Amino acid sequence: QKEVEQDPGPLSVPEGAIVSLNCTYSNSAFQYFMWYRQYSRKGPELLMYTYSSGNKEDGRFTAQVDKSSKYISLFIRDSQPSDSATYLCAMGSGGSYIPTFGRGTSLIVHP
Amino acid sequence: GAVVSQHPSWVICKSGTSVKIECRSLDFQATTMFWYRQFPKQSLMLMATSNEGSKATYEQGVEKDKFLINHASLTLSTLTVTSAHPEDSSFYICSANPGTSGANVLTFGAGSRLTVL
Repeated sequence: QKEVEQDPGPLSVPEGAIVSLNCTYSNSAFQYFMWYRQYSRKGPELLMYTYSSGNKEDGRFTAQVDKSSKYISLFIRDSQPSDSATYLCAMGSGGSYIPTFGRGTSLIVHP
Repeated sequence: GAVVSQHPSWVICKSGTSVKIECRSLDFQATTMFWYRQFPKQSLMLMATSNEGSKATYEQGVEKDKFLINHASLTLSTLTVTSAHPEDSSFYICSANPGTSGANVLTFGAGSRLTVL
């Protein structure tokens, strides 16, 4: 079992839909949880990060962490074609600088 | 916000030549930088951790003589792909922790696409 599991998709949704992206993990020591967005042929861009459990909201994006279930989610409201990208979850225990990445979910938002 | 600049963004070279990729932290100092490799539709694969003033730490299976890393200053790390071959063609991305967020929160460069003919 990989430390971080993420469905690669692709996930195709119509414009305006609510998108739910998820990752599960096995390492209970993880404390930092990040979501990155990566457009084709570009480096990953940090969208949001959360320390420990709880929710965090930034505009149309909401990140949720459920440590009891070892499950994290990213919700995108009112999705736009410009949201079409690969979304990578990442997490770390804080002790080392090196986070563990999921393989990424490809999201396609069609007009 | 913290910016990591990477150059060149795209390079094409002939088989057998060497290529150098630069990674700079523009508005923060980075004692540690990370080099990743990414194949199409695949996740990030950590190649090595670059440490300012000391030798890089390579991940298992990464040839240190093939991928030379130098971290000569607190704002610059370089990756040199030596005697490149077509199988080295890939997307290389560097990253660093600017220290403004959590310990594991990295900022990435825009990536360098290497094509070896």
